Amino acid sequence: AQKVTQAQTEISVVEKEDVTLDCVYETRDTTYYLFWYKQPPSGELVFLIRRNSFDEQNEISGRYSWNFQKSTSSFNFTITASQVVDSAVYFCALRSNYGGSQGNLIFGKGTKLSVKP
Amino acid sequence: DTGVSQNPRHKITKRGQNVTFRCDPISEHNRLYWYRQTLGQGPEFLTYFQNEAQLEKSRLLSDRFSAERPKGSFSTLEIQRTEQGDSAMYLCASSFTGTSGGYTFGSGTRLTVV
Repeated sequence: AQKVTQAQTEISVVEKEDVTLDCVYETRDTTYYLFWYKQPPSGELVFLIRRNSFDEQNEISGRYSWNFQKSTSSFNFTITASQVVDSAVYFCALRSNYGGSQGNLIFGKGTKLSVKP
Repeated sequence: DTGVSQNPRHKITKRGQNVTFRCDPISEHNRLYWYRQTLGQGPEFLTYFQNEAQLEKSRLLSDRFSAERPKGSFSTLEIQRTEQGDSAMYLCASSFTGTSGGYTFGSGTRLTVV
């Protein structure tokens, strides 16, 4: 089975706090891709990052960083010094070729992040 | 290109009516995807095309749903005999095969069936 679990439904922080969004995935495939998307109130999904299963290097992009650990099947997302503009729903997603699927992005249920001033 | 364009943005229809949505992908992208998103949930895959060929369909895509991409450019998603359970946001995305990036999503069409 393929599945993405985002256990945190909602998180509320005060501006400038650091926050980590958790993502745990399941797949039987050895080759797969993991994604994070941001969905602001306007509704459009904004691509943040893609990571393939062979690359476990952590990545940092400005205030954003991602921690990929195959041993725990996790791909967590940290926002450092959060800002009000970070308020959105964040989705983790998985794509693999398991079962012949090549186009299917499987999304978690999302974590709603509210950053208060 | 300004991204993936979807029309209309909103559609209200009576139960039993047919509706059609349109998606214009990024022109260089050969893959096009349809997803459905209900309130409080993540997007769920419906179907995808590579050029004009429909390569995969989800079990969510009942017989009342049909999607086309006749010339490998824009796509339409039609829902026949709409039901209240069809109320959702319908998202379109596009990508290029082998891209190292993600899929580019449109703003969606919000369908309300009354």
